[in-house]
Amino acid sequence: AQSVTQLDSHVSVSEGTPVLLRCNYSSSYSPSLFWYVQHPNKGLQLLLKYTSAATLVKGINGFEAEFKKSETSFHLTKPSAHMSDAAEYFCVVSDRNFNKFYFGSGTKLNVKP
Amino acid sequence: DAGITQSPRHKVTETGTPVTLRCHQTENHRYMYWYRQDPGHGLRLIHYSYGVKDTDKGEVSDGYSVSRSKTEDFLLTLESATSSQTSVYFCAISFEGGSNQPQHFGDGTRLSIL
Repeated sequence: AQSVTQLDSHVSVSEGTPVLLRCNYSSSYSPSLFWYVQHPNKGLQLLLKYTSAATLVKGINGFEAEFKKSETSFHLTKPSAHMSDAAEYFCVVSDRNFNKFYFGSGTKLNVKP
Repeated sequence: DAGITQSPRHKVTETGTPVTLRCHQTENHRYMYWYRQDPGHGLRLIHYSYGVKDTDKGEVSDGYSVSRSKTEDFLLTLESATSSQTSVYFCAISFEGGSNQPQHFGDGTRLSIL
């Protein structure tokens, strides 16, 4: 079965400093993984996806994530945080047929001025 | 943005009443999903549909039913609402299962059951 664990429920950084949001997954096959962002009172927006091509995936707004099979991780990073990055972030794994998607419990990112 | 409209956006109702939430898409995508979002749980799948009249259960389907009579509409019904169903409900769509395409989400419906 597929599952996702987001290791931090809250992360706080200062504007201009790096962001690291951690995600570990469990899957019985080579997974497809996604990161989504949710701003308050909004739906989820896709940041990036990994689907067995390059292990370093670049997304929108300067975010990127690296797929590490040996560590079963898919951490999200950004070199320099911006105030507009404050939101909740979700790591997601799909099943083999992309019929179902399994969400982590989310990480709330706070960006301090 | 994907053409997904959820209605209503907010609803307050009483325990024991029936409630229907609507998801409407203009993308002609085959797959549609209903999730609920609760603090500390992320999003959990309630039901999904892989075509007109084709639906399947998700991990938290008890107390919910769905219908899809047209490609563009996916309805979620709470037959007799309970306070534990107070939540934010999201509809999502995806182009085609097996195509590694991600989901696109609506803006959610905030449902309060008193």
